[in-house]
Amino acid sequence: DADVTQTPRNRITKTGKRIMLECSQTKGHDRMYWYRQDPGLGLRLIYYSFDVKDINKGEISDGYSVSRQAQAKFSLSLESAIPNQTALYFCATSDSRNTGELFFGEGSRLTVL
Amino acid sequence: LAKTTQPISMDSYEGQEVNITCSHNNIATNDYITWYQQFPSQGPRFIIQGYKTKVTNEVASLFIPADRKSSTLSLPRVSLSDTAVYYCLVGRLSGGYNKLIFGAGTRLAVHP
Repeated sequence: DADVTQTPRNRITKTGKRIMLECSQTKGHDRMYWYRQDPGLGLRLIYYSFDVKDINKGEISDGYSVSRQAQAKFSLSLESAIPNQTALYFCATSDSRNTGELFFGEGSRLTVL
Repeated sequence: LAKTTQPISMDSYEGQEVNITCSHNNIATNDYITWYQQFPSQGPRFIIQGYKTKVTNEVASLFIPADRKSSTLSLPRVSLSDTAVYYCLVGRLSGGYNKLIFGAGTRLAVHP
């Protein structure tokens, strides 16, 4: 089983719908991240969390919100999805002792029509 | 945050050594250099990390000159399965916020 699990892996939705992408990890890491990747581009940081009580905006947080329900769970929500949020979304974790080593999930491909 | 600059793409052939250089002129004293590999539709995977001089593991070597303003990822004897995008990142390892920025990376194509 994967250490960092994302659900759903694929989702097609319509403009205006609320969407939640979920991430859970079994690595026991305190830090969790959500990244977005558009075709042919690198990853951009949306939100990150150092622990359950900590939430921080990344490079492109507008239109997104997150919830850290437990140390092992970090959810990303699109309150009202729009077509330019169509992308591949990755969750990642790291240990605070070595935040340079990120462990990524398999990705969630979101299509907004 | 230290910005990194890498070639957009590189081509190689099976069995050759590939060296990908990353520039990071504004690297801070506490920053480490980390390289990731990404295959299509998969999350990036950690390859190697270093602070100065040379680091080697079973996958790659990382060369960092004394001024640390650049680094070179060396992949020995590449195979077709090394075709991927390679990212160079710079940042602190611990203590406070470490916002790891992924640039566009270097797209390596290995040919038969």
